[in-house]
Amino acid sequence: QKEVEQDPGPLSVPEGAIVSLNCTYSNSAFQYFMWYRQYSRKGPELLMYTYSSGNKEDGRFTAQVDKSSKYISLFIRDSQPSDSATYLCAMIFYSGSARQLTFGSGTQLTVLP
Amino acid sequence: DTAVSQTPKYLVTQMGNDKSIKCEQNLGHDTMYWYKQDSKKFLKIMFSYNNKELIINETVPNRFSPKSPDKAHLNLHINSLELGDSAVYFCASSHRDRGDTQYFGPGTRLTVL
Repeated sequence: QKEVEQDPGPLSVPEGAIVSLNCTYSNSAFQYFMWYRQYSRKGPELLMYTYSSGNKEDGRFTAQVDKSSKYISLFIRDSQPSDSATYLCAMIFYSGSARQLTFGSGTQLTVLP
Repeated sequence: DTAVSQTPKYLVTQMGNDKSIKCEQNLGHDTMYWYKQDSKKFLKIMFSYNNKELIINETVPNRFSPKSPDKAHLNLHINSLELGDSAVYFCASSHRDRGDTQYFGPGTRLTVL
């Protein structure tokens, strides 16, 4: 079993839809959770960063973390064609000076106008 | 004012050759990374390096070696290139004091013929 599993997609939705992107993880040591967005032929860029269970909002984006279920989600409200990209979850834990950073495999999202 | 830059953007070469990819960050970060992203968009961390420690992903062949002339640069040298090395290689940097948020370069698309 991979440490981080991400719904593979691809996902295609109409403009204005609410999108839900999900990752599960097996290592309860993960402390920090991130979502990155990657446009075609570009490097990933950070969208959201959270460290506690609960919801964090930033405009149309909401990151949700449920540490008890080892589950994180990214919700996109009022989705736009410009949201079409690959979304990657990532998580980190620290053990002394060591850190482990793991990415999910990515979900490709297409928002149709 | 590019944050993380890498050169070249595209690299086409023959099997068996040796090549290098350069990376520079001007963010004052303490850690730099190399990632490999395959055709299925899976992002795999290859190395992380700060001025104290090099951490190597055990699955990376020893034909790949990172070289850091100073804190702002981490170059990737690849010996005896193989067809399976074709991928997009991303450089990234982070700072532990800022939660190790990864800042990615634009990527180098390597094609081995």
